[in-house]
Amino acid sequence: QVQLVQSGPEVKKPGASVKVSCKTSGYPFTNYFLHWVRQAPGQGLEWMGWINSHSGGTEAAQTFQDRITMTRDTSISTAYMELSRLTSDDTAVYYCARLSTSSPPYWGQGTLVTVSS
Amino acid sequence: EIVLTQSPGTLSLSPGERATLSCRASQSVSSNSLAWYQQKPGQAPRLLIYGASSRATGIPDRFSGSGSETDFTLTISRLEPEDFAVYYCQQYGTSPPMCSFGQGTKLEIK
Repeated sequence: QVQLVQSGPEVKKPGASVKVSCKTSGYPFTNYFLHWVRQAPGQGLEWMGWINSHSGGTEAAQTFQDRITMTRDTSISTAYMELSRLTSDDTAVYYCARLSTSSPPYWGQGTLVTVSS
Repeated sequence: EIVLTQSPGTLSLSPGERATLSCRASQSVSSNSLAWYQQKPGQAPRLLIYGASSRATGIPDRFSGSGSETDFTLTISRLEPEDFAVYYCQQYGTSPPMCSFGQGTKLEIK
């Protein structure tokens, strides 16, 4: 079965970077794009960007374009999202999601990133 | 960018009543790229409907989705106590593979 398993919670200081991983299984990794979504406390869902798992190409939402780096390692079917220059506004749960029009969406369990001095 | 607008912002109903939630897109959305999620406090979003009208695995048949192009609806036929939560719609394209969410509808007990 399709699974997306994310790395554990992180606590970071303002100005630091965080890297979240999303390990996939149950399907051919390179056949699907992976997206990143976040949700700040008490707020809605915010799309951050996607990575083409085959080519490594990426596209980010304008809000994050200068701070986000999305990569993947096809040998271990894992995608990564790194967000730099963190502020308290980046405190949120971060999700990876496999979105495709040919199958249901699948989501990771979420990774809580807390930014605090 | 496709903007999704959900209405109402808050819906107050009683158990046993019918709930109708709306999601309107700023431009036409392919029906096979529209999903609905339920979210309860402290939990991850739970997929209810994908492809505008297909129920996800394990979702009760009191949940149904409909609509096309710019207007989509999630209907809960008879509300159970566990259905009171926040509901989000989502669209995800393929060319380009962009994604956006509605701002959510809070379904609360009247």
